This record gives sequence, structure tokens and C-alpha cells, in this order.
Amino acid sequence: DGGITQSPKYLFRKEGQNVTLSCEQNLNHDAMYWYRQDPGQGLRLIYYSQIVNDFQKGDIAEGYSVSREKKESFPLTVTSAQKNPTAFYLCASSRVAGVSDTQYFGPGTRLTVL
Amino acid sequence: KQEVTQIPAALSVPEGENLVLNCSFTDSAIYNLQWFRQDPGKGLTSLLLIQSSQREQTSGRLNASLDKSSGRSTLYIAASQPGDSATYLCAVSRPGANSKLTFGKGITLSVRP
Repeated sequence: DGGITQSPKYLFRKEGQNVTLSCEQNLNHDAMYWYRQDPGQGLRLIYYSQIVNDFQKGDIAEGYSVSREKKESFPLTVTSAQKNPTAFYLCASSRVAGVSDTQYFGPGTRLTVL
Repeated sequence: KQEVTQIPAALSVPEGENLVLNCSFTDSAIYNLQWFRQDPGKGLTSLLLIQSSQREQTSGRLNASLDKSSGRSTLYIAASQPGDSATYLCAVSRPGANSKLTFGKGITLSVRP
């Protein structure tokens, strides 16, 4: 089955720790995205990547980092600099960046800071 | 800055009712508008995508319309069912493309049996 997988489903972080969220897609999509969703809020864009070895900051990139070494993988690291990281994180991909195209979403990772 | 508004935040209807969900946006210079469904604790599922040159799209019991000039879109759900209970989000693509989306906060729909 083609799709997007995110792991883990639930993640707990202690204060001062960095954690990495995994996102993998087998849809052969060029573009990938990371969003953050807080209760009662819409999605906000953290980072996006249009092609391998390239990525751009979204609206709320501070305290986050990403890499895009492979087409199918776009991991997100939540660093200790992110002051309020507790949220639901969603990864998405689309066929080609720069054109109007549907975004496909993974099942999400819920991050909680202890 | 593009802003997307969805009002009301929650809606409860009896099964079988036809209903309309509204979405408004402030900047009419969009490339497309998408409607998504989100079940509790899950990711988003794309329902319909309307290109800026189109007026509407249909899929099964769903029909989405787009009026760029007035900055409005509606999602029409015919003969609602309890299985339609979910949060519905609309999102518009921004000028400058790159497929970046601006999302509304969503409308949580509950269809009562």
C-alpha cells in the first residue's frame, strides 16, 4: 500500500531533550511538509522540502530542524530551543511542489513534554 | 497575510439532514482550495480540491463550491450520516505557489442518529 507513515505515534520528552519524529513516504512524491496542530487550531507549517537536499522554513520554524537526504524521508527534530513543543505533528507530501496538487497526510505523532 | 475562517467551530445535526459548511478567506489570489476531513487523533484526508479556475467539485454526497471574488467556499454534505462526524478543515494555497497551504481552524461536525 502506498502512503505516509509517521513514528512514533506517541512521544514523551523531558525538558531540555531533543527528539526526532520520523516521516516516510512511498508515493514517490517530490515535496514533503511538516505541520503542527494545537487543540482547536488549524495547522501551521513548520518546514517544507521541494526536493532532496533542499528545505525551507515555514511560519513557525524556530526550535525545529529538518533534513532531506532521501526522497522518501523527511525527519523533524524538535530541539530544546522550542519552548512549547507539546502538540500534534503531521507530515504531508505532494506529487510536485510549485503546482496545485493535493497534499497527503500521515497519521500524526503526538508529542508531550513531561 | 492570508486568513482562513470557518464558522461555526462546531455543528450538531440529526441524521439525514443536508448541511453546508462555510469557509472564508481574505486574499482572493489563490491557486486552489482544498477541503479535508480529520477524525479524532488522526491525520487529514483530502476530500475535494477546487482549482482557482473552477466553480465547484463533486464527490459522492459531497459538493464543494468556490467563489474567489467574494472569498468564500462551501462544502455541501447531502443526507448526512453518523459516519460523517469529524472535523472538516478548508485550506487555500498561497500566492507564490510551492503548494504551501493556509488552514482554517476547522468545523467539528456531529451527526446524531
